[in-house]
Amino acid sequence: ETGVTQTPRHLVMGMTNKKSLKCEQHLGHNAMYWYKQSAKKPLELMFVYNFKEQTENNSVPSRFSPECPNSSHLFLHLHTLQPEDSALYLCASSLERGGPDTQYFGPGTRLTVL
Amino acid sequence: GQNIDQPTEMTATEGAIVQINCTYQTSGFNGLFWYQQHAGEAPTFLSYNVLDGLEEKGRFSSFLSRSKGYSYLLLKELQMKDSASYLCAVSDSNYQLIWGAGTKLIIKP
Repeated sequence: ETGVTQTPRHLVMGMTNKKSLKCEQHLGHNAMYWYKQSAKKPLELMFVYNFKEQTENNSVPSRFSPECPNSSHLFLHLHTLQPEDSALYLCASSLERGGPDTQYFGPGTRLTVL
Repeated sequence: GQNIDQPTEMTATEGAIVQINCTYQTSGFNGLFWYQQHAGEAPTFLSYNVLDGLEEKGRFSSFLSRSKGYSYLLLKELQMKDSASYLCAVSDSNYQLIWGAGTKLIIKP
């Protein structure tokens, strides 16, 4: 138990669906991250929020839309995804962005796009 | 470009010792992290090195040489539960983590 929870754990969706991934951290951290993890590839950083403000968007397609209503919650809204978007989506948090702070990860959402 | 290299897969025997290497080329350096990730689970923090040398934490140790751009994770007295992927990540000049693809460690009885 890392103090970071993600729901759902598994998600299957069609290319025309709209769904959202949820992340919640109970660590009192101020930075939150979305990563994409594909088999045998390095973790790909997608978005970073620091004190609820988006600080990084690593050229992620607009079909992925993040939302951070407060420092404890992070969402990833999905629409018109492609099969190549199938992957494990990991949420992480750290004390704050801008320091070598350890990131704590949630268990991930395994996404399959049909 | 920035790059982290680590072996794709390693196999070791229960009770033995295994060393997982990581080499890196990054824009700046603010520390190196090792994480463990069991299949279907969250990566969990193992160690952080920012100065050269060996950091020991129970059965696990991590070594860093900044001049060589090199680190290793040493696992002693291997147990079956150590079967997992081990991820190496470097914090660059902007404190962004640059990740390796991970090393899948298989422990055999």
